[in-house]
Amino acid sequence: DQQVKQNSPSLSVQEGRISILNCDYTNSMFDYFLWYKKYPAEGPTFLISISSIKDKNEDGRFTVFLNKSAKHLSLHIVPSQPGDSAVYFCAASYIKAAGNKLTFGGGTRVLVKP
Amino acid sequence: DAGITQSPRHKVTETGTPVTLRCHQTENHRYMYWYRQDPGHGLRLIHYSYGVKDTDKGEVSDGYSVSRSKTEDFLLTLESATSSQTSVYFCAINPGQGAGANVLTFGAGSRLTVL
Repeated sequence: DQQVKQNSPSLSVQEGRISILNCDYTNSMFDYFLWYKKYPAEGPTFLISISSIKDKNEDGRFTVFLNKSAKHLSLHIVPSQPGDSAVYFCAASYIKAAGNKLTFGGGTRVLVKP
Repeated sequence: DAGITQSPRHKVTETGTPVTLRCHQTENHRYMYWYRQDPGHGLRLIHYSYGVKDTDKGEVSDGYSVSRSKTEDFLLTLESATSSQTSVYFCAINPGQGAGANVLTFGAGSRLTVL
């Protein structure tokens, strides 16, 4: 049973508009959440994160929102650029658990059209 | 890729043969991980290591073994490869404490095809 789910496998958006990626989790022990970006033939790269003590974290064009009661987080990219076309993975962890392991969602492929 | 090297980057093998993938890091990070990426499943943890000769299983460890004899090297072995192990394998590292302790840094991946 997947503990982290990204229910939209793909997303297409026009350049300059907002991209909204969603992620749901079931394990209430998770207290740290991350987004990774992956280009073809490369490894995932860290994009942005949020601790469960916050409900929003912003870094340039990227903002992550966390709704703990709904066990839901989202990534907003504004404005979207063609270089943002990639697969985005949501990940979660429990900080006090041994190993600093991450549990990933299935990914959302984003296509930004010029 | 932040001092992480995976080898080989591509390998084609036959069912039943043993395969070893190597991950080498130059960051002196305590934790090392092996994940596999499959469509619809994202990345799933196979095994991880929290120090030399200290390893533990992840969620999809069946059919895989690992070894870490040195801080910088983490080996993933498929004793007898099966077609279900066709995947892209990613190694990751983590310092374990301090800045970046909650972020994994990934290698470029090793694509394995089992015929």
